[in-house]
Amino acid sequence: EVQLLESGGGLVQPGGSLRLSCAASGFTFSSYAMSWVRQAPGKGLEWVSAISGSGGSTYYADSVKGRFTISRDNSKNTLYLQMNSLRAEDTAVYYCAKAGQLASTRAPRFDYWGQGTLVTVSS
Amino acid sequence: DIQMTQSPSTLSASVGDRVTITCRASQSISSWLAWYQQKPGKAPKLLIYKASSLESGVPSRFSGSGSGTEFTLTISSLQPDDFATYYCQQYNSYSLTFGGGTKVEIK
Repeated sequence: EVQLLESGGGLVQPGGSLRLSCAASGFTFSSYAMSWVRQAPGKGLEWVSAISGSGGSTYYADSVKGRFTISRDNSKNTLYLQMNSLRAEDTAVYYCAKAGQLASTRAPRFDYWGQGTLVTVSS
Repeated sequence: DIQMTQSPSTLSASVGDRVTITCRASQSISSWLAWYQQKPGKAPKLLIYKASSLESGVPSRFSGSGSGTEFTLTISSLQPDDFATYYCQQYNSYSLTFGGGTKVEIK
């Protein structure tokens, strides 16, 4: 059974940093691209970042480029999102999501999602 | 970036109704479109991928169609479990984008 478990969310002041983690199990982690998708309170879904299975390719939404860094440790089956220079508009539930395509270079759809971790940026 | 526009934003329907949700892309995305269902406080669930392929385990009352810039999600006979918010997502290219969502409410 595929499981994705996010952690690391919490309350942080504007300008601060936070690192999110997503522990994956139930599939061959290194064979799939992974993404972070966020949802501000009462709002829709916004894709944040993606990383290829090997970790060699990374992609970012313009809204987080230069502030967030996605990475993965395939030996630990864990995905990360380092978030720096946080702003109030980064407040959201952050989901990690698994690509639905095996070892594909195509941009992904998402067949499994974690339960999400809430990040609140406020003074 | 490719913009995805869903309509309507809210839909009121009764159990047993046929429901159709539309998603339009600002440029052609071929068939690289997915549909998700999300219930309050829960993660989204994949329903349809590649515009019309039903994800494993999803009831056959859900169907998708379209290509290029116009797509539809149809629920053939709305069930109580289907009251939720639905999102489309294009995966033709990065930056990935979602539609604004369609909330299906009880009439």
